[in-house]
Amino acid sequence: EAGVTQFPSHSVIEKGQTVTLRCDPISGHDNLYWYRRVMGKEIKFLLHFVKESKQDESGMPNNRFLAERTGGTYSTLKVQPAELEDSGVYFCASSPDPNYNEQFFGPGTRLTVL
Amino acid sequence: QKEVEQDPGPLSVPEGAIVSLNCTYSNSAFQYFMWYRQYSRKGPELLMYTYSSGNKEDGRFTAQVDKSSKYISLFIRDSQPSDSATYLCAMRTGGSYIPTFGRGTSLIVHP
Repeated sequence: EAGVTQFPSHSVIEKGQTVTLRCDPISGHDNLYWYRRVMGKEIKFLLHFVKESKQDESGMPNNRFLAERTGGTYSTLKVQPAELEDSGVYFCASSPDPNYNEQFFGPGTRLTVL
Repeated sequence: QKEVEQDPGPLSVPEGAIVSLNCTYSNSAFQYFMWYRQYSRKGPELLMYTYSSGNKEDGRFTAQVDKSSKYISLFIRDSQPSDSATYLCAMRTGGSYIPTFGRGTSLIVHP
């Protein structure tokens, strides 16, 4: 069974540009989560999808971040315009049930904003 | 004060040593406690989770929760070089699906 995949693995952009991160969850997992880890800090929650609906987006830092989940399958996270403080590793995770204690994480996308 | 405190290390031990990794927390509402292992350039993977105070054992790994002290531990017996990774504690309340993570402790097991 394929795990959670994320694309790209690395992205280097300049301040003010737009970047779109993609996550493909494990097939059949209705729950999809986005997290971010800024260097030296904890992994922080951004938002949670159940199928195509946003269940909880309380962790989204501001309106420069837009997440979508087309048809309840893959998800994208767009940052527009990117700022220096957006640099970090963005993780996607999925689970079959929100009460399931295990979330399956992807390898992350390392974003560097110059 | 952070909700979850975890010493980032690094913690360097010789092969075969017993490793103790710890987290403290401030939110008494946390009920579910998890340990994730993260290898370099990979995502975190769940090692163990516990619900109540006490010990839970799985092979060389033992998770311990002391709710009265708000302290959790992960013990690794007979540590191996392949155990070298970052270990993240995470915990959540009963009313939330979202875990709160510690910063992670970098463990290095040298041959």
